[in-house]
Amino acid sequence: DIQMTQSPSSLSASVGDRVTITCRASQGIRNHLAWFQQKPGKAPKSLIKAASNLQSGVPSKFSGSGSGTDFTLTISSLQPEDFATYYCLQYDTYPLTFGGGTRVEI
Amino acid sequence: EVQLLESGGGLVQPGGSLRLSCAASGFIFSDHYMDWVRQAPGKGPEWVARIRDRSKSYSTEYAASVKGRFSISRDDSENSLYLQMNSLKTEDTAVYYCARGENWGGYRYFDFWGRGTLVTVSS
Repeated sequence: DIQMTQSPSSLSASVGDRVTITCRASQGIRNHLAWFQQKPGKAPKSLIKAASNLQSGVPSKFSGSGSGTDFTLTISSLQPEDFATYYCLQYDTYPLTFGGGTRVEI
Repeated sequence: EVQLLESGGGLVQPGGSLRLSCAASGFIFSDHYMDWVRQAPGKGPEWVARIRDRSKSYSTEYAASVKGRFSISRDDSENSLYLQMNSLKTEDTAVYYCARGENWGGYRYFDFWGRGTLVTVSS
């Protein structure tokens, strides 16, 4: 199975900060990586697919990059509504696997 | 508007069975792969199973942790997805989400998720 390692596992940041979360795959997954945001008690919400393509309706403050094994999610200017946990997902190879999550605290 | 509504969760004893359903609306259900994803309390999501569409003969994939115990199926005439869960274990306790597999570049990721249904396996 492909292991997805996310870092950091949690972070504290201020409103207006630029935040970067990384996800590393244990083997190459091309660009078959998605990012999700999850708020407490809610289902995950799709942010980015194919490593760098913004999901429809998602604000442009979110961006993604990377290919192969190393990926990043960046929030350009953190807002209070961005308090959430963020997960990466590789969908290149079965079984599909998620990263362990990054909790963002404001 | 895409909507996915899960049902069928509840409390079941170890070794028991449960059947989850997901009612889909707002899109052409028969055109999409569909998935089940679960999330144990306080943990991250875990992919459970996928069913492809008719063009791929409704073929399926499973996580190793559920293979042989769970079965995914669909009824395109009813816009519904199912998960039959047998021989349940305490570690199957989780919120179970139905998710739509959207095609991007020939690979499917989850673009919409339902609200989930809680399955608790306990004696």
